[in-house]
Amino acid sequence: SQTIHQWPATLVQPVGSPLSLECTVEGTSNPNLYWYRQAAGRGLQLLFYSVGIGQISSEVPQNLSASRPQDRQFILSSKKLLLSDSGFYLCAWSIRRGMVETQYFGPGTRLLVL
Amino acid sequence: AQTVTQSQPEMSVQEAETVTLSCTYDTSESDYYLFWYKQPPSRQMILVIRQEAYKQQNATENRFSVNFQKAAKSFSLKISDSQLGDAAMYFCASADGAQKLVFGQGTRLTINP
Repeated sequence: SQTIHQWPATLVQPVGSPLSLECTVEGTSNPNLYWYRQAAGRGLQLLFYSVGIGQISSEVPQNLSASRPQDRQFILSSKKLLLSDSGFYLCAWSIRRGMVETQYFGPGTRLLVL
Repeated sequence: AQTVTQSQPEMSVQEAETVTLSCTYDTSESDYYLFWYKQPPSRQMILVIRQEAYKQQNATENRFSVNFQKAAKSFSLKISDSQLGDAAMYFCASADGAQKLVFGQGTRLTINP
């Protein structure tokens, strides 16, 4: 079966510091991978998605970047964090079942920028 | 661009009763898919049910079923025999051919014992 891991689970960082959040998927190959952010009490906003190694699409202009160095690894980064980067970050992978491509989510990372 | 609207920020229901969560969406695509996700206090997003827009039959997963009204662009979730473990935030989402999920703002469901 497929599993998705995210770490760290919680992170407190000062403004201006760098960021690296990691997501890995097990039990599948060549998944589509996604990064979402959820502000407190709000829905999810798609930040980046990737259909393969080195292929990254950005959905919103922001202080963050993403990379996919390996087939099942997706990394979210920032060189200098802003207060507005605080939130809950979710990684997801997708699989096609029949006609529908369904996304499955990891446990998430809580980021607090102070 | 797709939009998804959940007009009920909060809902509550007595344990063992039935509750319906509303969702409307807008898309210019002819081929799209709709989902309901549950987010418990752990905050992990869990797929509840999905619906292909081309299918007229409403999807059902055990106690969870949807009422899909394509012409009205409505996609409501019905939870039967509500259980305490159903308490969570529920998000409606749509995806077009590009498979990018667009989420509503969520409905917080409380189950009263």
